[in-house]
Amino acid sequence: GENVEQHPSTLSVQEGDSAVIKCTYSDSASNYFPWYKQELGKRPQLIIDIRSNVGEKKDQRIAVTLNKTAKHFSLHITETQPEDSAVYFCAAGNSGGYQKVTFGIGTKLQVIP
Amino acid sequence: DAGVIQSPRHEVTEMGQEVTLRCKPISGHNSLFWYRQTMMRGLELLIYFNNNVPIDDSGMPEDRFSAKMPNASFSTLKIQPSEPRDSAVYFCASSLGSGQLGGEAFFGQGTRLTVV
Repeated sequence: GENVEQHPSTLSVQEGDSAVIKCTYSDSASNYFPWYKQELGKRPQLIIDIRSNVGEKKDQRIAVTLNKTAKHFSLHITETQPEDSAVYFCAAGNSGGYQKVTFGIGTKLQVIP
Repeated sequence: DAGVIQSPRHEVTEMGQEVTLRCKPISGHNSLFWYRQTMMRGLELLIYFNNNVPIDDSGMPEDRFSAKMPNASFSTLKIQPSEPRDSAVYFCASSLGSGQLGGEAFFGQGTRLTVV
């Protein structure tokens, strides 16, 4: 089955700086890579996703990159704000069939004002 | 749509008791997932259903855990008997479609289970 590794487990940045979270996956058949944000005490919510037919996707201050050859993908948050503080999960899976994804362990991001 | 609805939000029970967690997926979604979240292990997929049929239950930790989906709008996760190490937040999620349309899982608010 799929195995997703995520690092770092914790990340502290100053407000306005950039944050980068990296993930690797093991199953070359995976073609769907979502990122979820979970605020304290709340449910995980999708913030951005990327599919294997593109190498990069951007949505305002958030961008994801994908390197299928190396089997790794990353989340980049620019101009961080205190409300970006949360736990971020990467995931990998196959968007066909049953849409099952495997999650990474999570990265706790703290943005210091 | 109100999203994925889980009940109860919080459950405190004594060791050995039966616990039933409930989930109502988003109407029209054809896949349903049960996850367990702990600090040590993160988000673990326990079981998932497609069109009400269990597809993969390899994540279910023990025979004490069972899940059902009797129809497209309802699923249960049962733990019998419960143990303190089952304490966690249990999330239900649903998704729709496949291929380029598929993927995003919508999570419920979760059930925080405490077994004492």
